[in-house]
Amino acid sequence: KAGVTQTPRYLIKTRGQQVTLSCSPISGHRSVSWYQQTPGQGLQFLFEYFSETQRNKGNFPGRFSGRQFSNSRSEMNVSTLELGDSALYLCASSLYTGGISLHFGNGTRLTVT
Amino acid sequence: AQSVTQLDSQVPVFEEAPVELRCNYSSSVSVYLFWYVQYPNQGLQLLLKYLSGSTLVKGINGFEAEFNKSQTSFHLRKPSVHISDTAEYFCAVSEIEGGSEKLVFGKGTKLTVNP
Repeated sequence: KAGVTQTPRYLIKTRGQQVTLSCSPISGHRSVSWYQQTPGQGLQFLFEYFSETQRNKGNFPGRFSGRQFSNSRSEMNVSTLELGDSALYLCASSLYTGGISLHFGNGTRLTVT
Repeated sequence: AQSVTQLDSQVPVFEEAPVELRCNYSSSVSVYLFWYVQYPNQGLQLLLKYLSGSTLVKGINGFEAEFNKSQTSFHLRKPSVHISDTAEYFCAVSEIEGGSEKLVFGKGTKLTVNP
């Protein structure tokens, strides 16, 4: 079974631009969660989608948004990029909603210059 | 809100020595607890989890952890480490908020195994 796939692996953007990251969950998994990882703040929860509905949202500004498609694939979007948005963005999928059985992808490394 | 404290940001150890990575969490109610490992340029891999039952939990790669409710701790141990165990280790606790569940992570412990 293929694991969680995140694309692209690396991304370089300029301040003020917007970016879209993609996550394909493990086949059959209906929940997709997103986490931001930075050296200073560690791993922080962004949001979770289950069956195309946002179930939970972390404490991030409205510039961070996401969606989930009918095939469970998910995208997250960050608008008006700031230098502080440079991070590793991790996606995790699970069969059911919640954090008990998360399977993580290898992440997208976003650098904002 | 839940919080997780990993008491050591870095732990250097020699190969074949035992290691303990410490983790404390804030909640006094029932929780689910997890340890994840992250190798360079990779995502997180689940080592083990405590949901209920026996307080000693065995995981992959020879790791185990002990849940101590009175001390709100969930320390990770391995009796003999290998070079390949060099990685960053994250302790996490589940948090239920607004009817939904998410993981709250500690800041991580970098384990370096030296020959």
